[in-house]
Amino acid sequence: AQRVTQPEKLLSVFKGAPVELKCNYSYSGSPELFWYVQYSRQRLQLLLRHISRESIKGFTADLNKGETSFHLKKPFAQEEDSAMYYCALKHAGNMLTFGGGTRLMVKP
Amino acid sequence: EAGVVQSPRYKIIEKKQPVAFWCNPISGHNTLYWYLQNLGQGPELLIRYENEEAVDDSQLPKDRFSAERLKGVDSTLKIQPAELGDSAVYLCASSQTGEETQYFGPGTRLLVL
Repeated sequence: AQRVTQPEKLLSVFKGAPVELKCNYSYSGSPELFWYVQYSRQRLQLLLRHISRESIKGFTADLNKGETSFHLKKPFAQEEDSAMYYCALKHAGNMLTFGGGTRLMVKP
Repeated sequence: EAGVVQSPRYKIIEKKQPVAFWCNPISGHNTLYWYLQNLGQGPELLIRYENEEAVDDSQLPKDRFSAERLKGVDSTLKIQPAELGDSAVYLCASSQTGEETQYFGPGTRLLVL
């Protein structure tokens, strides 16, 4: 069965500091991974997907199959990055298994 | 574009009462999902529809939960009877067939007393 683990419930950093939100997965098939974000009082929305290898709002994430990880990184955090971040694994017909989420707080 | 619409946004009921949630997906989106999100956890899929067909409902507790999407557009999720442990946020999402991105609604926050 598939599983997504986000070991940190809360990550607090100062503005301008680097950020790394951790995500580990367990899946027997070929993984497709995503990061979803939920800003305060907003809906859950897609941030980025590994397959497109894009940088969105300065965030990047690299799929490491050897370590079964898909960590989200940003070199310089901004206050507007404060949000809940969810890592998700796609399987069987576009179904998503989400991790438990990490709350990122960027302090001024 | 209004996005995925859900109602009600909040619902408070007593245990053993029935409750229903409604979802209107983005126009043209054939795939509709219902998720359950408990406090402090990520969303968990309950059921997925392709048009009016439920193609995966393995996580739906069928003894008390039911869902329908009669005309392949709007969907209703029902709980009868509700239990204290059903207190959670119920999220609806939709996507175009063959597209990966799921678009989420604002959710319905249920409190069972």
